[in-house]
Amino acid sequence: SAVISQKPSRDICQRGTSLTIQCQVDSQVTMMFWYRQQPGQSLTLIATANQGSEATYESGFVIDKFPISRPNLTFSTLTVSNMSPEDSSIYLCSVAGPSTFFGQGTRLTVV
Amino acid sequence: DAKTTQPPSMDCAEGRAANLPCNHSTISGNEYVYWYRQIHSQGPQYIIHGLKNNETNEMASLIITEDRKSSTLILPHATLRDTAVYYCIVRVDRDDKIIFGKGTRLHILP
Repeated sequence: SAVISQKPSRDICQRGTSLTIQCQVDSQVTMMFWYRQQPGQSLTLIATANQGSEATYESGFVIDKFPISRPNLTFSTLTVSNMSPEDSSIYLCSVAGPSTFFGQGTRLTVV
Repeated sequence: DAKTTQPPSMDCAEGRAANLPCNHSTISGNEYVYWYRQIHSQGPQYIIHGLKNNETNEMASLIITEDRKSSTLILPHATLRDTAVYYCIVRVDRDDKIIFGKGTRLHILP
């Protein structure tokens, strides 16, 4: 099993600013995923992050808004740029595997 | 889009078996059925998965119909801690991305 640490666990940010969320895994993994969960909704996949290549974004998500880094096989970051109140959500990272583990999420509130 | 259909909510009495249905009529021959659950304010938790045969682990049992167009997750003795949203997902392999549907909100009643 993989242990995933996400930071920060929560934050309150001003509109127009950016927040970078970190995801650290205790083992090397090829593929990592970033999800958004808006209040009362299911999880929506933002992008797939492979080490050594550009992230692949799902429809409705763009790199300028959600830039992703994947510098090595145990770490990734997601930045939420130029935030607005509509970006208030829980953001989760996950790693592929037989059980596909998820972090505990970052609860973001934009005011 | 999600390839599965689940009832939006279900109730189950504590101590009884909870049977959660899932339809996946367009499943391909190489796609597995996975179940996850999300307890309030936590990340999703893996429960079980299967391809054709029924599966059982310490958490649950998975019954897949012979035509593989539907499945049922069984929690044999539901407790209050099983109150969660349960997601049924189809995916090709363990490295495949997960597309979540709306899931079933299971309420365990004391």
